[in-house]
Amino acid sequence: SAVISQKPSRDICQRGTSLTIQCQVDSQVTMMFWYRQQPGQSLTLIATANQGSEATYESGFVIDKFPISRPNLTFSTLTVSNMSPEDSSIYLCSVDGQGGYEQYFGPGTRLTVT
Amino acid sequence: GDSVTQMEGPVTLSEEAFLTINCTYTATGYPSLFWYVQYPGEGLQLLLKATKADDKGSNKGFEATYRKETTSFHLEKGSVQVSDSAVYFCALPNGTSYDKVIFGPGTSLSVIP
Repeated sequence: SAVISQKPSRDICQRGTSLTIQCQVDSQVTMMFWYRQQPGQSLTLIATANQGSEATYESGFVIDKFPISRPNLTFSTLTVSNMSPEDSSIYLCSVDGQGGYEQYFGPGTRLTVT
Repeated sequence: GDSVTQMEGPVTLSEEAFLTINCTYTATGYPSLFWYVQYPGEGLQLLLKATKADDKGSNKGFEATYRKETTSFHLEKGSVQVSDSAVYFCALPNGTSYDKVIFGPGTSLSVIP
């Protein structure tokens, strides 16, 4: 299984600002995923990021609000732009399990927008 | 489309009690099935999985059996500990896009001494 780290682990931000979350994997992976987990809720997929191509966004999520970069096979960033209190959530990155369909997750970034 | 339904929480048990968290699924074919666990303040971890009918996944004293007749994958543990307090998610691959995972709503478990 892959070991995944995220930075920052938590942050408190003011509305209208942006935050970039980093996700680093200890091995090369094809697909990386970004999820949002609102308080007390399950996970909602924001987008899938493949290296060398634009991210694919799920319904309800747009690139202007959640721009994603995937510069290489071990790293990705998610930016939460023009934040509002409704963006307060845990943001999780994950990677695919190399053919086993399971995913491996980072520890998450806990974002509070005031 | 494919979906997962699981027992609503929160569930509160005393230490050493028996745990069952129900999970049923709707899917085309026979997908792999997963249980993930999220401990307080952490990300999700894969707890166990089963890849075909009648398979039993097990890990850390937890077990789940893939039952295609009842389309179920219930999570069980014979004797829970305080350290098992967490949120448990049943999941399966998205039938139209296998690289994606469909998660159930999660069941919060609190184990009290």
